[in-house]
Amino acid sequence: QKEVEQNSGPLSVPEGAIASLNCTYSDRGSQSFFWYRQYSGKSPELIMFIYSNGDKEDGRFTAQLNKASQYVSLLIRDSQPSDSATYLCAVNAGNNRKLIWGLGTSLAVNP
Amino acid sequence: DGGITQSPKYLFRKEGQNVTLSCEQNLNHDAMYWYRQDPGQGLRLIYYSQIVNDFQKGDIAEGYSVSREKKESFPLTVTSAQKNPTAFYLCASTGVSSTDTQYFGPGTRLTVL
Repeated sequence: QKEVEQNSGPLSVPEGAIASLNCTYSDRGSQSFFWYRQYSGKSPELIMFIYSNGDKEDGRFTAQLNKASQYVSLLIRDSQPSDSATYLCAVNAGNNRKLIWGLGTSLAVNP
Repeated sequence: DGGITQSPKYLFRKEGQNVTLSCEQNLNHDAMYWYRQDPGQGLRLIYYSQIVNDFQKGDIAEGYSVSREKKESFPLTVTSAQKNPTAFYLCASTGVSSTDTQYFGPGTRLTVL
């Protein structure tokens, strides 16, 4: 059974701090890794995707991938109250174009 | 504007009724997906379709049915056989050039009365 695991949280950080969200996956053959943000009552929206080992930066967001250790993380710099949401990690499930989803980490940024 | 639309936004169903949730996309994506999300839970795959006139069961297909007669449309029917249908239903799509990135519609919240 292929799995994606995330700490459910809630993760609470003060405004302006760095929020660090982590995700581990079981399938060593996974090639694509995604972070989505989901506000309460809304649908998930893509934040970033990453395919290669190392860091990928987009504005205040940095995704980090370590395939040897089978984890992917998301750093949010200068956290804002508007970043308060649930963050979903997803990993591709091979060539069938399905994604395996973690249960999400709830983030609260306190003013 | 390109995107995915779902209707209705809210849907109320009496026990024993079938209801159909609409999902339409104008992104020219070939693959489409239906997920169910329960409070505090992750996304669970109901059905997916990679091409027109073909679809596969996901992890929780029992009590649901789909069709894919057009590339743009992937309606989901929640049948009376689904014992606990109250949930948030999400439709997503991805294209060949999207490298598995799935884009979501706004969702339909179904409540059984």
